[in-house]
Amino acid sequence: DTGVSQDPRHKITKRGQNVTFRCDPISEHNRLYWYRQTLGQGPEFLTYFQNEAQLEKSRLLSDRFSAERPKGSFSTLEIQRTEQGDSAMYLCASSLWTQGQYFGPGTRLTVT
Amino acid sequence: DAKTTQPNSMESNEEEPVHLPCNHSTISGTDYIHWYRQLPSQGPEYVIHGLTSNVNNRMASLAIAEDRKSSTLILHRATLRDAAVYYCIQILNTNAGKSTFGDGTTLTVKP
Repeated sequence: DTGVSQDPRHKITKRGQNVTFRCDPISEHNRLYWYRQTLGQGPEFLTYFQNEAQLEKSRLLSDRFSAERPKGSFSTLEIQRTEQGDSAMYLCASSLWTQGQYFGPGTRLTVT
Repeated sequence: DAKTTQPNSMESNEEEPVHLPCNHSTISGTDYIHWYRQLPSQGPEYVIHGLTSNVNNRMASLAIAEDRKSSTLILHRATLRDAAVYYCIQILNTNAGKSTFGDGTTLTVKP
């Protein structure tokens, strides 16, 4: 049973660079979620897909953040022109409809 | 946003039951209640979810109030490995699947 995987696990980048993260959900799950988490806080919702359709997104994704799930399977999250405030853990989760969300290990982004 | 309210922290003794409360007064009739926990340096882990009836699984039990405005996660015998941050969230039973996590309850288990 393969769970949710994310790549890379760690990313260090310089301010102003673009970064892209990948998430591979559990294969039979139709919903995929992206969250961001900083130390001491709960996960912050970024966006979610139902199959290939992006159905909901936070205000963050209207600017430098964009996400895709082109064939309803894996998803990518891109951050353009990174800023130091983007340093965080980026979490991906998947679920079958409104059943429990299964989270990946996360990608830790450090912007220097 | 669908927001839940939980105590910041709770303590328990090992091998004793733990009751973690959550208020979700804005819940609508078709919203699910989900519980997750997060151990240090790990991603959140799904624990249990329910709609109206109480639910049991191998990890925990979920007791949902009759008016559905509150719920309680029950760990029947706390172990040191249950020390974590526990999150209660509402999941809208629509295509609007936004999940709002609060700051959760930090559970400390004392040996």
